[in-house]
Amino acid sequence: DQQVKQNSPSLSVQEGRISILNCDYTNSMFDYFLWYKKYPAEGPTFLISISSIKDKNEDGRFTVFLNKSAKHLSLHIVPSQPGDSAVYFCAAPQKGAGNMLTFGGGTRLMVKP
Amino acid sequence: DSGVTQTPKHLITATGQRVTLRCSPRSGDLSVYWYQQSLDQGLQFLIQYYNGEERAKGNILERFSAQQFPDLHSELNLSSLELGDSALYFCASSVGGMENSPLHFGNGTRLTVT
Repeated sequence: DQQVKQNSPSLSVQEGRISILNCDYTNSMFDYFLWYKKYPAEGPTFLISISSIKDKNEDGRFTVFLNKSAKHLSLHIVPSQPGDSAVYFCAAPQKGAGNMLTFGGGTRLMVKP
Repeated sequence: DSGVTQTPKHLITATGQRVTLRCSPRSGDLSVYWYQQSLDQGLQFLIQYYNGEERAKGNILERFSAQQFPDLHSELNLSSLELGDSALYFCASSVGGMENSPLHFGNGTRLTVT
């Protein structure tokens, strides 16, 4: 049972435009979400998070939106830069399971110059 | 640089063998996590240790075991290796064992079983 899903395996965007990466979840107990970025040959790097008490969190060019009723979150990158080309994972901690993160399958973002 | 160190970077071994992957967490972090990323799959949680004690367990095979030592470094032992165990193994650490603290990942160990 995939509790966190990223239905788009890849996304291609022109430099300077907006990138929107989507994530859906099924477990209504999730109340905190994280986005990680991963470059080839490196480990995932924490990018931004959001608590379920908020519907938006912004950090520079990165904004995460949370729609609890739809069990959907999205990561917006504006403006997109070639250095943003990476695989992006959304994740959520399982309640009562330490800090065990459940990850989506990832979306590969390609930003074209 | 996340501050999490994993060794070795690459490991090639034969079926039936046993290997040990090592992880040093960020300075000050008490929790260590192990994740597996197989080809074309997402990150699968294996196990979490907090200050030497097992805190949470995922879909870790019985052939796999882990421990966290008093100096907080951790080792993941994989035995009776099968071709399907070929994957990237990531270690991560966090300050505490509580929920909602971001994990910081190492660069992984790529295991190839031939």
